[in-house]
Amino acid sequence: ILNVEQSPQSLHVQEGDSTNFTCSFPSSNFYALHWYRWETAKSPEALFVMTLNGDEKKKGRISATLNTKEGYSYLYIKGSQPEDSATYLCAFRRYSSASKIIFGSGTRLSIRP
Amino acid sequence: EAQVTQNPRYLITVTGKKLTVTCSQNMNHEYMSWYRQDPGLGLRQIYYSMNVEVTDKGDVPEGYKVSRKEKRNFPLILESPSPNQTSLYFCASSYQGTVNTGELFFGEGSRLTVL
Repeated sequence: ILNVEQSPQSLHVQEGDSTNFTCSFPSSNFYALHWYRWETAKSPEALFVMTLNGDEKKKGRISATLNTKEGYSYLYIKGSQPEDSATYLCAFRRYSSASKIIFGSGTRLSIRP
Repeated sequence: EAQVTQNPRYLITVTGKKLTVTCSQNMNHEYMSWYRQDPGLGLRQIYYSMNVEVTDKGDVPEGYKVSRKEKRNFPLILESPSPNQTSLYFCASSYQGTVNTGELFFGEGSRLTVL
């Protein structure tokens, strides 16, 4: 089983502050890296699908970067708002078995008003 | 509305009583998958299907069966449920045209308790 690690496990941030967290994955045979946001009592929703080394994606105040050579991706949230409170999941797909999507255990983000 | 629908959403059952969790998607997606979510472990893949009549094991397939007779449906079958299968289950689907559109669309989840 491939290891996809996310850190930190949980994070408490003051409203208005910016924050970031990490997803680490095996650097060999890379195919794609997904980020999902999972709010309590809802389903996970896709934020980004990233495929190329050096990729940067942005959606509003949330952005992500990808380094496939060293096996990590960062998710950034600028000016955190209470509605950003959620668990953020990353998921890794390997080229040789792209149908198997391996999730990390997530970073739980709480925004203090 | 594009969606993935799971039923039941909540179920309490007893050890050994066969049950099926249904999953249906209306987006004509080729790929469908089942996950279970347990505290501290993230989402773990149980089974997946690349298309009709094509299914394969994920990382935790023991105790589960699936079938893909139609493109839209991908039921999860627990032939003889045990307490260690108490979990939150998610069905997901995606379009497999290109890797850039491979984002997963999730159902609302099915919380299963096996006594």
